[in-house]
Amino acid sequence: EADIYQTPRYLVIGTGKKITLECSQTMGHDKMYWYQQDPGMELHLIHYSYGVNSTEKGDLSSESTVSRIRTEHFPLTLESARPSHTSQYLCASSAHIWGISGNTIYFGEGSWLTVV
Amino acid sequence: EDQVTQSPEALRLQEGESSSLNCSYTVSGLRGLFWYRQDPGKGPEFLFTLYSAGEEKEKERLKATLTKKESFLHITAPKPEDSATYLCAVRRGGSEKLVFGKGTKLTVNP
Repeated sequence: EADIYQTPRYLVIGTGKKITLECSQTMGHDKMYWYQQDPGMELHLIHYSYGVNSTEKGDLSSESTVSRIRTEHFPLTLESARPSHTSQYLCASSAHIWGISGNTIYFGEGSWLTVV
Repeated sequence: EDQVTQSPEALRLQEGESSSLNCSYTVSGLRGLFWYRQDPGKGPEFLFTLYSAGEEKEKERLKATLTKKESFLHITAPKPEDSATYLCAVRRGGSEKLVFGKGTKLTVNP
């Protein structure tokens, strides 16, 4: 079972505010991810990291930014929130196993963001 | 481009009525097909990973199978607590991205 913690679980903020969604994992996984999911729609990868000081953009364009200063921590930041950022943000992690690229990705409970 | 299509979009079953969910995929160099369960307002919960055609995995009332073009999630004698959205995802070799389908929303009535 995965131990990935996301805070806050639910957040309602005004347009133009800066927000940071926190994500921590206690499994020592090197790889971490942020996915975005709108209600009834597919999950889309927006950011990922191979390890400390590594960040990459996913396929879905996002105005958010991420950082990876510690292995266990992968926060996502929106400098100026807009109503179009309203969505569910899911943090995930996986172990890096040499020679296996299909290793399992475990998800957190998600952070629901509403921008009004 | 990698693509995952799940059917049906929604499925209603009576308790004990077995059925199957389908996941059709197109991916170059499959490096894993994943099944997740997602409850409302929560993150996906990992169920199975399948790597090659012919592979099967079981967990309680669930059994996942894989061919070169599709995967099935068989649910035997479902219970109301099996009600959830079931997500299928694929990963290609050399990519960090999981490509997800839209899911099948399963409702099991008592």
